Amino acid sequence: QSVLTQPPSVSGAPGQRVTISCTGSSSNIGAGYDVHWYKQLPGTAPKLLIYGNNNRPSGVPDRFSGPKSGTSASLAITGLQAEDEADYYCQSYDSSLRGVVFGGGTRLTVL
Amino acid sequence: QVTLKESGPALVKPTQTLTLTCTFSGFSLSTNGVRVSWIRQPPGKALEWLARIDWDDDKFYSTSLKTRVTISKDASKNQVVFTMTNMDPVDTATYYCARMQGYGDRQYYFDYWGQGTLVTVSS
Repeated sequence: QSVLTQPPSVSGAPGQRVTISCTGSSSNIGAGYDVHWYKQLPGTAPKLLIYGNNNRPSGVPDRFSGPKSGTSASLAITGLQAEDEADYYCQSYDSSLRGVVFGGGTRLTVL
Repeated sequence: QVTLKESGPALVKPTQTLTLTCTFSGFSLSTNGVRVSWIRQPPGKALEWLARIDWDDDKFYSTSLKTRVTISKDASKNQVVFTMTNMDPVDTATYYCARMQGYGDRQYYFDYWGQGTLVTVSS
């Protein structure tokens, strides 16, 4: 059971907009700890996609954004492309556990 | 260019101790603010943070595993060593090392990851 809750799967057609939710609690996201997002292709290591809630590392297109509100955050992907098909993980810090925590991951399928 | 690479046994027996080494380049663990973590991912499951070591040799462990894990560094060799005792089949996973960025009050994320090494626990 992951500390941060994500939907197991989402899907969308090419060109559409999809969102992936990440729900936490008062000891992590709700306590003001930022949310970061990673993209993982099958058989490869996770790759940083969004850091500090809504900042993109160099090379990540602006189709990806990460609003945060209260005890939740979302990853929004616009203009869906086939290459976006992957697993996505959210991550934050938890003050009760005194460590980094991850979501359970969401598999994005591009129809 | 920042790179990290994990090395260690692919197979360990139950009750044995696992030792993994992360060899990195492109940064120094002697530099103020640099941190390296270990993270694992069982097959088909989610990521789990395990341990972290800082430039000043501060160490932090997952509360659920802290009695079994140890992290250490050899900054001169650009290496971080991770050990986990009393291995069990449920510890079968891909183990990653990653550079950890920190800012503000306990805000952390991982900007570079190793390719991972699959460790299977089986007799």
